[in-house]
Amino acid sequence: NAGVTQTPKFQVLKTGQSMTLQCAQDMNHNSMYWYRQDPGMGLRLIYYSASEGTTDKGEVPNGYNVSRLNKREFSLRLESAAPSQTSVYFCASSPREAADTQYFGPGTRLTVL
Amino acid sequence: GEDVEQSLFLSVREGDSSVINCTYTDSSSTYLYWYKQEPGAGLQLLTYIFSNMDMKQDQRLTVLLNKKDKHLSLRIADTQTGDSAIYFCAEKARGSTLGRLYFGRGTQLTVWP
Repeated sequence: NAGVTQTPKFQVLKTGQSMTLQCAQDMNHNSMYWYRQDPGMGLRLIYYSASEGTTDKGEVPNGYNVSRLNKREFSLRLESAAPSQTSVYFCASSPREAADTQYFGPGTRLTVL
Repeated sequence: GEDVEQSLFLSVREGDSSVINCTYTDSSSTYLYWYKQEPGAGLQLLTYIFSNMDMKQDQRLTVLLNKKDKHLSLRIADTQTGDSAIYFCAEKARGSTLGRLYFGRGTQLTVWP
C-alpha cells in the first residue's frame, strides 16, 4: 500500500517553462489537495478537489491549474513558471471533504531559475 | 484566515521531555493535529485531538488542549535523537467546506545526545 505518491521528486525549471506535477493515491480517498511549503512557513493550500470532476481554489492559486483526472490522480500544472514558484509542493488526500485526516505525499522540490 | 502560531525552535537533551506549544485563533475549530516532518520528507500525521477533548495520550506522545486559551501542546516523553524534526500544528475550522487545514510555521526540534 503506497499511500500518496508524487512525481517527480526534484525538478529544476527555467523561468517561463511549463510542467505538471503528478499525484496519485491508492487509498480510495475522495478529497485531494495541493499545498506549497516555503522556508520558515507552514503549508499553504493551492487547490483542492472534493471529488472526481470538481476543483476549488485555495489560498494561493495564482499561476497554477489543476486536473482531477480520476479518483486516484490529481495533477498540478505550472503554465509559465516564475522564480516565486520555487517551493516544495505537497499533495494530500483524505477520505471525505471536511471531516477526515489528510495524508501527505513525500513532496516535489521545485526550483525555478 | 485563521492564525496558528508556534515557536520556531526547541532544543532538548536526549532522554528529557519535549513540549511543543501552539496557539490558534478559531474557537470553532473541530480538529487539531500534530504532524512531523523529517528532513527531505513529507508530513507524517502524529496524532490529533477532537475539540471536545482535553487530553489524548498515545505511547510517548501526550496532547493537551486548553480551549479557553486556545492553546495546544505536544509532549514527547523520553525524547530520542530520532525525534529531531519539524513539528507542525494544524487546525481544521468548523464548517470548513474546503476541509482545509491551517498550519503553523513549524517548530524545529533538535535533540542532543
